[in-house]
Amino acid sequence: EPEVTQTPSHQVTQMGQEVILRCVPISNHLYFYWYRQILGQKVEFLVSFYNNEISEKSEIFDDQFSVERPDGSNFTLKIRSTKLEDSAMYFCASSEYLGTGGYEQYFGPGTRLTVT
Amino acid sequence: TQLLEQSPQFLSIQEGENLTVYCNSSSVFSSLQWYRQEPGEGPVLLVTVVTGGEVKKLKRLTFQFGDARKDSSLHITAAQPGDTGLYLCAVDSTTDSWGKLQFGAGTQVVVTP
Repeated sequence: EPEVTQTPSHQVTQMGQEVILRCVPISNHLYFYWYRQILGQKVEFLVSFYNNEISEKSEIFDDQFSVERPDGSNFTLKIRSTKLEDSAMYFCASSEYLGTGGYEQYFGPGTRLTVT
Repeated sequence: TQLLEQSPQFLSIQEGENLTVYCNSSSVFSSLQWYRQEPGEGPVLLVTVVTGGEVKKLKRLTFQFGDARKDSSLHITAAQPGDTGLYLCAVDSTTDSWGKLQFGAGTQVVVTP
């Protein structure tokens, strides 16, 4: 069964460093997303991406964040200068549009980002 | 921003018992999704409900969407230890969104042998 994959599974970085989190969405999906989950809290939307541009972004997704689809398979999230509060699980998701069924999103296993 | 309330927050039952968890809001949704999440892993999609009053079954799991499309329930029959997990409901948070999901806080279900 097709699945979303993410690398690395765990990333440790120092405050102020840049990190790139990588995702390979399901191959026939056209809509891509990043979410994050701080330990013990809800899953929060960061950004959606379609047709090579950002469709929506949350207040969390400030100028320190960027997303890119550098080729036909990868989807990346870059944090330019990490802060302690960026420590969280980051989930990539992908979907196709189902009309009245909305966007049925499939999530990857996540990357645990630890900022020290 | 619609607020999704899930209840109960925590549920511990014995294997073989039945359970129901709820997802409620004051807003109307075009669709609602249920996910299950294990510790340290990503949410796994269980079902999408779209039509008011809709009932969907997935083996021992029964999902219902309220008639007014403001609430949903998940019923598990004869729960097994493998059903242990965090059950999350999620909705598209705006009518013109591109799939921006808003999640509830979840119900932690523990099934003991």
